[in-house]
Amino acid sequence: QKEVEQNSGPLSVPEGAIASLNCTYSDRGSQSFFWYRQYSGKSPELIMSIYSNGDKEDGRFTAQLNKASQYVSLLIRDSQPSDSATYLCAVNAPTGNQFYFGTGTSLTVIP
Amino acid sequence: GAGVSQSPRYKVAKRGQDVALRCDPISGHVSLFWYQQALGQGPEFLTYFQNEAQLDKSGLPSDRFFAERPEGSVSTLKIQRTQQEDSAVYLCASSPFAPRENTGELFFGEGSRLTVL
Repeated sequence: QKEVEQNSGPLSVPEGAIASLNCTYSDRGSQSFFWYRQYSGKSPELIMSIYSNGDKEDGRFTAQLNKASQYVSLLIRDSQPSDSATYLCAVNAPTGNQFYFGTGTSLTVIP
Repeated sequence: GAGVSQSPRYKVAKRGQDVALRCDPISGHVSLFWYQQALGQGPEFLTYFQNEAQLDKSGLPSDRFFAERPEGSVSTLKIQRTQQEDSAVYLCASSPFAPRENTGELFFGEGSRLTVL
């Protein structure tokens, strides 16, 4: 079992819709959770971080964390074509010096 | 420069050649990570430095992989006797914090794409 699991997609949504991306993690000791966006051929960039159970909103993005279910999600409201990218879920390794990444979910927003 | 700089951006090597990939992190960043990203996959951890100390090298796939950061700034990832399975993008990331300080703001470089023929 990988430390971080994501549905690889591809996920397609029409412009203006809500895109929902999901992630599960295996280590209950993890305390920090992140969503990175990676455009094709580019490096990952951080878009959201969340540390406590519940929701965290930043503009059109909302991260949701449920530690009991070991589940993290990212909602993108009013999706735009420029949101088309691969979204990587990352989790800290509580006993080590690293961050585990999922395989990423490919999102396409159709104009 | 303002960001993490990696060189070369592209490297083609014949099987068996040695390669060296350079990372110049953001000035003053304590933490430096190397990740390997195969096509269609997420980044896989290779190694971590806190200043000049290599605190974790558990992700290095074999003893052909070696990394150093002798003065706590620039880092080099060396791959000896390259194999086709080494073909991937090698990402360097830096952070002003140590991983256990509960922040995941990793600043990534553009990566070095290695192709082994």
